Amino acid sequence: EAQVTQNPRYLITVTGKKLTVTCSQNMNHEYMSWYRQDPGLGLRQIYYSMNVEVTDKGDVPEGYKVSRKEKRNFPLILESPSPNQTSLYFCASSSSVGLDQPQHFGDGTRLSIL
Amino acid sequence: EDQVTQSPEALRLQEGESSSLNCSYTVSGLRGLFWYRQDPGKGPEFLFTLYSAGEEKEKERLKATLTKKESFLHITAPKPEDSATYLCAVAGSGTSYGKLTFGQGTILTVHP
Repeated sequence: EAQVTQNPRYLITVTGKKLTVTCSQNMNHEYMSWYRQDPGLGLRQIYYSMNVEVTDKGDVPEGYKVSRKEKRNFPLILESPSPNQTSLYFCASSSSVGLDQPQHFGDGTRLSIL
Repeated sequence: EDQVTQSPEALRLQEGESSSLNCSYTVSGLRGLFWYRQDPGKGPEFLFTLYSAGEEKEKERLKATLTKKESFLHITAPKPEDSATYLCAVAGSGTSYGKLTFGQGTILTVHP
């Protein structure tokens, strides 16, 4: 089954404790991306990657890091999480780097930073 | 900078009562306009892609249309299972290449 898998689905942690949210896709897609979703603000793009070792900032990259060492994986790293990063996070992938094909989304990771 | 505005923020319909959701956009060189459906606790699920003004696509009770400034998602004779948040997003070219900009969504509730 074609899917985007995120882990963990839920995480409660404390300020400053480094964490990584993993994302993996099994569709051999070139493009992967991370979004956060907040009430009233909608989905906002954090980082995206058009290929292995190629990453670019989205609209809200501050406080986040990403890496793309393999085509299928695109982890999101919060090196020193803060309460304002409490949010619902989605990973997505697409067969088209130009995004003229739709993105497929994971089921989300709900992060709470205390 | 690409911008997407969806209206209304929330829409309550009776079962069978047809209506439309609006997505107004500004983008540098439209590569695609996307409609997604999102159920509570789930990731967005792809519905349609529209590429150029005048294009229309249909799926069951949903029909999406596109002009140079806006897109409409028409819902004909909705059922309670159509209740969800509907998201619109645009992908542009130039400095927007590779970025996807979403609207805030319309929360649709269909009452039996």
